[in-house]
Amino acid sequence: SQTIHQWPATLVQPVGSPLSLECTVEGTSNPNLYWYRQAAGRGLQLLFYSVGIGQISSEVPQNLSASRPQDRQFILSSKKLLLSDSGFYLCAWSNRIGTGSRPQHFGDGTRLSIL
Amino acid sequence: SQQGEEDPQALSIQEGENATMNCSYKTSINNLQWYRQNSGRGLVHLILIRSNEREKHSGRLRVTLDTSKKSSSLLITASRAADTASYFCAVQGAQKLVFGQGTRLTINP
Repeated sequence: SQTIHQWPATLVQPVGSPLSLECTVEGTSNPNLYWYRQAAGRGLQLLFYSVGIGQISSEVPQNLSASRPQDRQFILSSKKLLLSDSGFYLCAWSNRIGTGSRPQHFGDGTRLSIL
Repeated sequence: SQQGEEDPQALSIQEGENATMNCSYKTSINNLQWYRQNSGRGLVHLILIRSNEREKHSGRLRVTLDTSKKSSSLLITASRAADTASYFCAVQGAQKLVFGQGTRLTINP
């Protein structure tokens, strides 16, 4: 069966420090991968998605970047964190083979607090 | 924007009652999906309804879709305390899902 792992679960970082959040998927190949941010009590904002190794689409201008160095690995990074980067970050995957409807499967998220 | 908008924002009912949440969207869609999120956790996919479907069931869940009104509803029957969570609708575009702001459902024992 397919599983998705995100770490760390919680992270407290000072303003101006770098960031690296990692997400890995097991049990599937060639997935679409997604990074979302969720503000408290709100919906999800899509930050990045990837349809293959090295292929990254950015949805909103921001202080963050994403990379996909391996088929099932998705990394969210920042060189210098801002206070506004605080939030709940979620990684998700979906099947890519074929067309049509594809549910997304989420990790348990990383709670990022910037001090 | 294709964004789904849920209504109500919050719903509190007694255990055993039915809960109905609504979702409206603005553009044509491939499908509409409903997700559940327990506090502090990731989202869990509940049910997907395609644009050519009008109703779908899964256990105690019933989803309807009215493409002429650009709206969907999620009905949870015989609610349980464990159903307490936030519920999100999401509309499917070519590669992306666009999520609404969610309905916070509280089931009181």
